[in-house]
Amino acid sequence: DAGVIQSPRHEVTEMGQEVTLRCKPISGHNSLFWYRQTMMRGLELLIYFNNNVPIDDSGMPEDRFSAKMPNASFSTLKIQPSEPRDSAVYFCASRVFQGMDGYTFGSGTRLTVV
Amino acid sequence: KNQVEQSPQSLIILEGKNCTLQCNYTVSPFSNLRWYKQDTGRGPVSLTIMTFSENTKSNGRYTATLDADTKQSSLHITASQLSDSASYICVVSAGTSYDKVIFGPGTSLSVIP
Repeated sequence: DAGVIQSPRHEVTEMGQEVTLRCKPISGHNSLFWYRQTMMRGLELLIYFNNNVPIDDSGMPEDRFSAKMPNASFSTLKIQPSEPRDSAVYFCASRVFQGMDGYTFGSGTRLTVV
Repeated sequence: KNQVEQSPQSLIILEGKNCTLQCNYTVSPFSNLRWYKQDTGRGPVSLTIMTFSENTKSNGRYTATLDADTKQSSLHITASQLSDSASYICVVSAGTSYDKVIFGPGTSLSVIP
């Protein structure tokens, strides 16, 4: 199993540009999570999906952030327009819904907005 | 308010020494507690998971303890290795929904030769 796959690994963009982060969860995992990690705030849950349906997006900072999961094997997190304060590492994680196993995290996307 | 606190914030130890990381939580109702290891530039990886009835769980040189009465957990690392240098994150699940998790801020461990 290749694990949770995220792309790109690194993204540098100018303020105001649109950024799209991608995630492929582990096959068979029906819960998917997007997290943001910064030095100041640690890991923050942005949104999670169960069976491709967004369940809780209360962690999404503002309307500039949106996430989709069109099918069980793919999800995107989009920021439009991006701002320097969005610079962080964005992690995608997946697991079996209500399973006792922990999350499996991807390697993250390091986003820098200049 | 559901919260997870960890101490120390950072720690430097010599290779071969033991160390203990602490996690205190105010999460109710408690479901389970996990310790994750996060290497620099990588996503967190699960080390142990403990439910209410478990006091101790080991994973190689890592031993986690849980005291549900005092709402404290510890992660003990034995005979530390350079590869143990990482951030260790305590994560507590609340309620009956396994999706309600609270992350601690992490302890940054540096093992030096």
